[in-house]
Amino acid sequence: KQEVTQIPAALSVPEGENLVLNCSFTDSAIYNLQWFRQDPGKGLTSLLLIQSSQREQTSGRLNASLDKSSGRSTLYIAASQPGDSATYLCAAPSGNTPLVFGKGTRLSVIA
Amino acid sequence: DVKVTQSSRYLVKRTGEKVFLECVQDMDHENMFWYRQDPGLGLRLIYFSYDVKMKEKGDIPEGYSVSREKKERFSLILESASTNQTSMYLCASSLRGTPLHFGNGTRLTVT
Repeated sequence: KQEVTQIPAALSVPEGENLVLNCSFTDSAIYNLQWFRQDPGKGLTSLLLIQSSQREQTSGRLNASLDKSSGRSTLYIAASQPGDSATYLCAAPSGNTPLVFGKGTRLSVIA
Repeated sequence: DVKVTQSSRYLVKRTGEKVFLECVQDMDHENMFWYRQDPGLGLRLIYFSYDVKMKEKGDIPEGYSVSREKKERFSLILESASTNQTSMYLCASSLRGTPLHFGNGTRLTVT
């Protein structure tokens, strides 16, 4: 059964800093991996989806990489802003089963 | 833009009541999911459906049932609400291999 782990659980950085969020998964037989953002009291918003054939995906200041062989993905946020403060979750499927989510990294960007 | 609508943002029910949580999506997605989210436990899958009239148990189906009579609507039913079902409930939909789209969630309190 897929297990997804995110480290650290919480992170606080000054505005403007580049940062990396980490995600690891136990079952590398995935067809994609997704990163989401969640604001307090709200649903999740999809940020990036990386297909298993890809190594990375970019959207604006966000870049997500995927290394299936090591069971790892990273989300890189460039030039962080206070508006980036949120919880970031990664999720991976296992075979035909739905996504399994990590518990998230709570990011605070301090102005 | 995909829209996933959950019928209530906040709901307060009494122990033993039968509770219906409704979810509607407007993008003809075949896949629909119900998760619950609790502090420290993350998102856990309750039920999912890959087509009309189909349903599959997730990781924590006990005490819940679902209904999918139409493609756009996926209902979660708490047969007899209990206090340990107090939680944030999140509905999501997708096509296979595409990003998951979430509703804004229903915060259910059972007293």
